[in-house]
Amino acid sequence: QQQVKQSPQSLIVQKGGISIINCAYENTAFDYFPWYQQFPGKGPALLIAIRPDVSEKKEGRFTISFNKSAKQFSLHIMDSQPGDSATYFCAAALRGGGNKLTFGTGTQLKVEL
Amino acid sequence: GAVVSQHPSWVICKSGTSVKIECRSLDFQATTMFWYRQFPKQSLMLMATSNEGSKATYEQGVEKDKFLINHASLTLSTLTVTSAHPEDSSFYICSAGGVYEQYFGPGTRLTVT
Repeated sequence: QQQVKQSPQSLIVQKGGISIINCAYENTAFDYFPWYQQFPGKGPALLIAIRPDVSEKKEGRFTISFNKSAKQFSLHIMDSQPGDSATYFCAAALRGGGNKLTFGTGTQLKVEL
Repeated sequence: GAVVSQHPSWVICKSGTSVKIECRSLDFQATTMFWYRQFPKQSLMLMATSNEGSKATYEQGVEKDKFLINHASLTLSTLTVTSAHPEDSSFYICSAGGVYEQYFGPGTRLTVT
């Protein structure tokens, strides 16, 4: 019930294209859904996050779409750039859970020229 | 933004010795910090929750006597890997934050020879 499923495992996108990563969760008590970006040998960096009372959040080229009824959320990277090549993790947390994050399995994104 | 540091960034130790890793919140106070372990091309695995002034809470399957956690102040948590073995070689990452947002340190690469 605590799992967060993430797909695809890896993704190759052409420069300028749209990268889409999907996540699904089971625990309806989750109320915070962040996305993290991680470069090799570095810690994850908070990219963007959403709460379930909002269906979409956009920050620059990054957009989270949230479907509460389907228990799914996704990250869209518009105008993907080679510098976006990294591993992306979705996560979920519930406030009553002491801020403990449940991570997805990760998506390795490569943006080609 | 919130900054979390870790020290050392990498360490090599011999089998049977102990290694201490520090995690500091540089510009905010953290009553709770989290310790993760990450193997190559895998997701983050939560090891334990570090609570300032009290005992850490370990996730199922994590040996509390092997991974000693001390949260001595509101800005410092330490993870000590005792009697390290080659299978303990991994990337260790800490995080700290507020009600929702969690900020991660840059990670510590531990290699046990």
